[in-house]
Amino acid sequence: EPEVTQTPSHQVTQMGQEVILRCVPISNHLYFYWYRQILGQKVEFLVSFYNNEISEKSEIFDDQFSVERPDGSNFTLKIRSTKLEDSAMYFCASTLTDTVWGLYFGPGTRLTVT
Amino acid sequence: DAKTTQPTSMDCAEGRAANLPCNHSTISGNEYVYWYRQIHSQGPQYIIHGLKNNETNEMASLIITEDRKSSTLILPHATLRDTAVYYCIVGETSGSRLTFGEGTQLTVNP
Repeated sequence: EPEVTQTPSHQVTQMGQEVILRCVPISNHLYFYWYRQILGQKVEFLVSFYNNEISEKSEIFDDQFSVERPDGSNFTLKIRSTKLEDSAMYFCASTLTDTVWGLYFGPGTRLTVT
Repeated sequence: DAKTTQPTSMDCAEGRAANLPCNHSTISGNEYVYWYRQIHSQGPQYIIHGLKNNETNEMASLIITEDRKSSTLILPHATLRDTAVYYCIVGETSGSRLTFGEGTQLTVNP
């Protein structure tokens, strides 16, 4: 079965540093998403991306965050200057059509900001 | 999106049916019921969705009451690998975001 992959599985960074989290969505999918989950809390929507543009973003997704699809396969989330509160699991997801059912989530990247 | 209410936790014996309830009394006519699950710290996994008819797939069945104010996810023969947090989400079919709640921690016991 096709799957979404994410790298790295665990990233440790110092406060103020830039990080890039990488995702390879399922190859024929057109809609891409980032969600995050702070330890012990709910899964939260960050941003959706379609046709090389952000479709929707949450209030969490401020100017410190950016997303990019630099080539035909990767989808990245960049955090420009990390804060302690950015420590979380970050999940990438993709889907073929603009529906909220049938999202395929990746295994996540655990980001630890020290 | 309409709000959902789920029990915090449930237990089920391996091999038995797991019935997970969800209340969504404020659901509107064009909103679907979606179920996802999250096995410990992994990415959420889509299970099933429905509008008003009962639905079944290879993973589970979804029973929606006639007034659509509640639903039940049924795992017919639960296994240890079904231990996870199960999320009932209500919303329109299109659009970008899923709004996850606290979900139900289902523990399948041997």
